[in-house]
Amino acid sequence: QKEVEQDPGPLSVPEGAIVSLNCTYSNSAFQYFMWYRQYSRKGPELLMYTYSSGNKEDGRFTAQVDKSSKYISLFIRDSQPSDSATYLCAMSPNFGNEKLTFGTGTRLTIIP
Amino acid sequence: GAGVSQSPRYKVAKRGQDVALRCDPISGHVSLFWYQQALGQGPEFLTYFQNEAQLDKSGLPSDRFFAERPEGSVSTLKIQRTQQEDSAVYLCASSTDPKAFLAGANVLTFGAGSRLTVL
Repeated sequence: QKEVEQDPGPLSVPEGAIVSLNCTYSNSAFQYFMWYRQYSRKGPELLMYTYSSGNKEDGRFTAQVDKSSKYISLFIRDSQPSDSATYLCAMSPNFGNEKLTFGTGTRLTIIP
Repeated sequence: GAGVSQSPRYKVAKRGQDVALRCDPISGHVSLFWYQQALGQGPEFLTYFQNEAQLDKSGLPSDRFFAERPEGSVSTLKIQRTQQEDSAVYLCASSTDPKAFLAGANVLTFGAGSRLTVL
């Protein structure tokens, strides 16, 4: 079993819809949680990061962490075709440690 | 430069050949990471440098993989006697001093990767 599980999709939704992306994990040592967006043939780019449990909002994006359930989510409101990409969750146990454990990524397509 | 630069972007090798992949991190970035991303998978950690010191190489899959960063800037990932299972995208990432994370600085900036295909 992988330390981080993520539904690979693909996920297709109409423009303007709310998108929910999720990951579960098994290592209770993970403290820092990140979401990366990866366009085709590009490197991942950081969207959001959170520490421990709670919510964090940045524009149309909201990240949620529930450490008791070992479950993290990324919500995208008012989805746009430009949001079409692969979304990767990532996490690490130590403060400032960028040795990340990634999920497999969810491929998202926003249909105009 | 403005971002992390990797070369070559695409490399085709015959099984058994040696390959070298280069990474130019963002100027001044102390930390440098190599990740391997197989098709349809997330990146997996290979190795980590802080300046010229290789602090963690626990992710290197075999002794055929070797990485160096002799002057604390450019890094090279070398794969000897390539095998088909080495086919993947090799991603390089850099970041500022880890303490910068305290100030909410960006964690890792990735390059576009080097796509290796072993025939």
